[in-house]
Amino acid sequence: GIQVEQSPPDLILQEGANSTLRCNFSDSVNNLQWFHQNPWGQLINLFYIPSGTKQNGRLSATTVATERYSLLYISSSQTTDSGVYFCAVEARGYSTLTFGKGTMLLVSP
Amino acid sequence: DAGVIQSPRHEVTEMGQEVTLRCKPISGHNSLFWYRQTMMRGLELLIYFNNNVPIDDSGMPEDRFSAKMPNASFSTLKIQPSEPRDSAVYFCASSLRGLGNEQFFGPGTRLTVL
Repeated sequence: GIQVEQSPPDLILQEGANSTLRCNFSDSVNNLQWFHQNPWGQLINLFYIPSGTKQNGRLSATTVATERYSLLYISSSQTTDSGVYFCAVEARGYSTLTFGKGTMLLVSP
Repeated sequence: DAGVIQSPRHEVTEMGQEVTLRCKPISGHNSLFWYRQTMMRGLELLIYFNNNVPIDDSGMPEDRFSAKMPNASFSTLKIQPSEPRDSAVYFCASSLRGLGNEQFFGPGTRLTVL
């Protein structure tokens, strides 16, 4: 099946710093999504982004499908950005989502 | 809207017992998803429904697991018999339509099988 690798596995930032999270995938995809899980376990769907660039406030995401990667940018990080960020893909020809192992982000005040 | 509702929030049971997890999706959403999260395996999509019909159950681990969606406002995930390795957090999510739309997650059910 498709492989999804996220980097870095862990990241510690000072409040106000910017960061880039990466998601590499091993095959063509119909669908790519980014999720955030806060320290209390709540999951939020951040972006649906099979290709191109989207922005939502301080967060933006870019997927380059031809090169099989996606990037999640967090600008001016806040302590509430802490948690785990997951990338998930729907491989072409399949109808299920495969998740990466996530990037754990800690933003300190 | 109250969001996606899951019950129970916590369940502790003994090996061999039947476990039933429940989910009420957001009203008007046509797709419902069941996920499992463990330290070892991470997040996994178990099964999802469109318009109450199961679309993909390739993530269901084995025959001990079954899911139903008898109507648009209710779904169950059943494990019979349960085993300690089924211990996990089970999330339910719903979306307007399919995998290509924003999913809204419930708070999860933390299952412990002793």
